[in-house]
Amino acid sequence: GQQVMQIPQYQHVQEGEDFTTYCNSSTTLSNIQWYKQRPGGHPVFLIQLVKSGEVKKQKRLTFQFGEAKKNSSLHITATQTTDVGTYFCARQTGANNLFFGTGTRLTVIP
Amino acid sequence: SAVISQKPSRDICQRGTSLTIQCQVDSQVTMMFWYRQQPGQSLTLIATANQGSEATYESGFVIDKFPISRPNLTFSTLTVSNMSPEDSSIYLCSVGQGARTEAFFGQGTRLTVV
Repeated sequence: GQQVMQIPQYQHVQEGEDFTTYCNSSTTLSNIQWYKQRPGGHPVFLIQLVKSGEVKKQKRLTFQFGEAKKNSSLHITATQTTDVGTYFCARQTGANNLFFGTGTRLTVIP
Repeated sequence: SAVISQKPSRDICQRGTSLTIQCQVDSQVTMMFWYRQQPGQSLTLIATANQGSEATYESGFVIDKFPISRPNLTFSTLTVSNMSPEDSSIYLCSVGQGARTEAFFGQGTRLTVV
């Protein structure tokens, strides 16, 4: 279907460790967006990647878009307890609809 | 950016009844979307609500069950009709301004059907 798969589904890390979530699509993506949803909250936009091989950084977060535009990753360096939440990638269709990936739930142990 | 007010924030409803969820945006937006998020799951797109035309529903969702209104560029409603416990979920409205633009979300409506 249209859903984008993410791995891992869950990740528990010790505070200060790094974390990576991967997003994989069977079809080429025009762009990929990343969102963070805190427990009990709503999704909040983090970033959008458009170009093949694109890399963007936001402080401790690094986002990559694969060369074939079929996969993407989010890497967090030295996690903090404020990083807790579920991270979703989302693909956008030609009709501008957003379809969310399966998500990775991050737990950070103090 | 867009600020979205979604009401109610939560409700507990009897099976067989209907609930209408309201979504108000602080600016005019082209596209409004309704999502469902079941506990511990990802967001699933229910439909796209476009002003002045019928909503476009995704596979697995029908107008009779989830009628949507979009009377103007700042407001939309989603009704969950003839509810059953399987409809217990979080319902979120979202707005976007077109291709390659970020989406903004309301706070969500947590629905429990008993």
